[in-house]
Amino acid sequence: GAGVSQSPRYKVAKRGQDVALRCDPISGHVSLFWYQQALGQGPEFLTYFQNEAQLDKSGLPSDRFFAERPEGSVSTLKIQRTQQEDSAVYLCASSHRSRSYEQYFGPGTRLTVT
Amino acid sequence: LAKTTQPISMDSYEGQEVNITCSHNNIATNDYITWYQQFPSQGPRFIIQGYKTKVTNEVASLFIPADRKSSTLSLPRVSLSDTAVYYCLVGDGPGSSNTGKLIFGQGTTLQVKP
Repeated sequence: GAGVSQSPRYKVAKRGQDVALRCDPISGHVSLFWYQQALGQGPEFLTYFQNEAQLDKSGLPSDRFFAERPEGSVSTLKIQRTQQEDSAVYLCASSHRSRSYEQYFGPGTRLTVT
Repeated sequence: LAKTTQPISMDSYEGQEVNITCSHNNIATNDYITWYQQFPSQGPRFIIQGYKTKVTNEVASLFIPADRKSSTLSLPRVSLSDTAVYYCLVGDGPGSSNTGKLIFGQGTTLQVKP
């Protein structure tokens, strides 16, 4: 079946632009996570949704980062006024259970801020 | 969440068995041990999870000694396509109060040579 998909796969933004990254989780998956991965590092947690409820946003690095999942399926991560330090791969993962360590990751969106 | 320590890198040859050991001295009673694999330009992929003794699936085996302060991921007869970064994670099991967010370290970069 279809896995987690993310779009776009690559995004180049000029500093100060707003960007929106989309995640389509596996159908029926309750939990959705966003992670940020810098080059050569492991992924770092950003935020977590259980259905449409954002239960944990402790990893969002600043108030320029905003995530939503209004209907409990597709999620969007928005970054306002992008900065160079926002350059990274943004990974989305979903899980059929809440609070599960078995998560299915998408291929990521590579964001480059110039 | 317990901190984990694993080698930064390992080399192997095709056809060999590879064992990657992870130390987690402060593992809590409720913690499970989970391993992920990540290929370049892809999201991490769940490999295996265990609590104690031995767990085996079609991809790998996970050995956990009685004191649970370490664990070993065993990959039988590796091929070039097993070249990847392997992450060991320790955290609350299913049904706990944790959201399930994954805390990745730097992982072990496994290079398989012909």
